[in-house]
Amino acid sequence: DVKVTQSSRYLVKRTGEKVFLECVQDMDHENMFWYRQDPGLGLRLIYFSYDVKMKEKGDIPEGYSVSREKKERFSLILESASTNQTSMYLCASSLDSQGGQPQHFGDGTRLSIL
Amino acid sequence: RKEVEQDPGPFNVPEGATVAFNCTYSNSASQSFFWYRQDCRKEPKLLMSVYSSGNEDGRFTAQLNRASQYISLLIRDSKLSDSATYLCVVRSGGFKTIFGAGTRLFVKA
Repeated sequence: DVKVTQSSRYLVKRTGEKVFLECVQDMDHENMFWYRQDPGLGLRLIYFSYDVKMKEKGDIPEGYSVSREKKERFSLILESASTNQTSMYLCASSLDSQGGQPQHFGDGTRLSIL
Repeated sequence: RKEVEQDPGPFNVPEGATVAFNCTYSNSASQSFFWYRQDCRKEPKLLMSVYSSGNEDGRFTAQLNRASQYISLLIRDSKLSDSATYLCVVRSGGFKTIFGAGTRLFVKA
């Protein structure tokens, strides 16, 4: 079974802090993704990566950056946290780049910015 | 128009009932289709892929209608444990993946 592990289930930070969310997958997947999920809005793609050191913006990249130094690890960084970044953050990975394989999700991180 | 649309529900059904959800998509070039299940405050989990010829997994049947651009999920003999939100997912090739907002299902005793 694919295992995607996110570093924290719950996190509380203050406005203006730099926040790091970590994600690790153990299946040697090429592709990794960061989403946020908000009530009524569904999942929205923040960033994705299709290879080490490669990254692409998703639909809502503003206020975020990412890092993929190793294949198994994909980090999401909130440069200066704001209250509108309070959300559920979900990391996912998938095997292929052509869409035939599904994405597998981590448990999610519930982030609250005070 | 949203790229992927689902009826948000909720669908309230008794145990043992058959229930069906539809999901429409706007991009005719879409290539891969999936149904995910998401429990409250948990991550989405893959329920099943959807193949052109339709496919079944136990009590669950998924179908694709390319001409009308929709996919469907049928659940037979509903169980209390089927209560969840069901997400329709459409991939258009490459990395573009669109998640529907989900359909909520409540199965009651």
